[in-house]
Amino acid sequence: GENVEQHPSTLSVQEGDSAVIKCTYSDSASNYFPWYKQELGKRPQLIIDIRSNVGEKKDQRIAVTLNKTAKHFSLHITETQPEDSAVYFCAASPEGNKLVFGAGTILRVKS
Amino acid sequence: DAGVTQSPTHLIKTRGQQVTLRCSPKSGHDTVSWYQQALGQGPQFIFQYYEEEERQRGNFPDRFSGHQFPNYSSELNVNALLLGDSALYLCASSSSPGTGGVWVQETQYFGPGTRLLVL
Repeated sequence: GENVEQHPSTLSVQEGDSAVIKCTYSDSASNYFPWYKQELGKRPQLIIDIRSNVGEKKDQRIAVTLNKTAKHFSLHITETQPEDSAVYFCAASPEGNKLVFGAGTILRVKS
Repeated sequence: DAGVTQSPTHLIKTRGQQVTLRCSPKSGHDTVSWYQQALGQGPQFIFQYYEEEERQRGNFPDRFSGHQFPNYSSELNVNALLLGDSALYLCASSSSPGTGGVWVQETQYFGPGTRLLVL
């Protein structure tokens, strides 16, 4: 089955710097890749997603890139702010509506 | 427009007991997926319900079962609870994935979760 690996497990950046989180997946049938942000004690919230027919997608300070050949996708956050501090999860959808999640990245933005 | 809701928010049970968790999907959604999130880990897919039937299932034992009602709400039942079942249980709702045999992955929106502690 699908396996999603996420790196790094923790990431500390200075406010205003950029943050990059990388994920790799194993199943070439996966065609949908969402990213969720989860603050402590709260539900995962979708921040951006990308489908396999697109290589890059941007929404203000957040962007996602997808390399289908290499089977990896990345989340880029520019001009980080303290409120960006949270756990970020990548996911891949190999079949149906099932999501397979990575282990998560704890992002700390230091002011 | 109500988002995804879940009840109860917290639950404490003892080993061997049974538990039922409930989920109401976002307005306009007809598909409900359940996930288990252990502390410090990503959510793991349990199963998905659409048109009152289990459509997909992850690697969870038969102790985990579910149901979907005509109003699209759903229940997750866990029998013979083990200590390892302690986790945050999340449901996610989405709209039905395309028509005419053309599959389109739909965005999943998560509820706040039910935190289950098994003692």
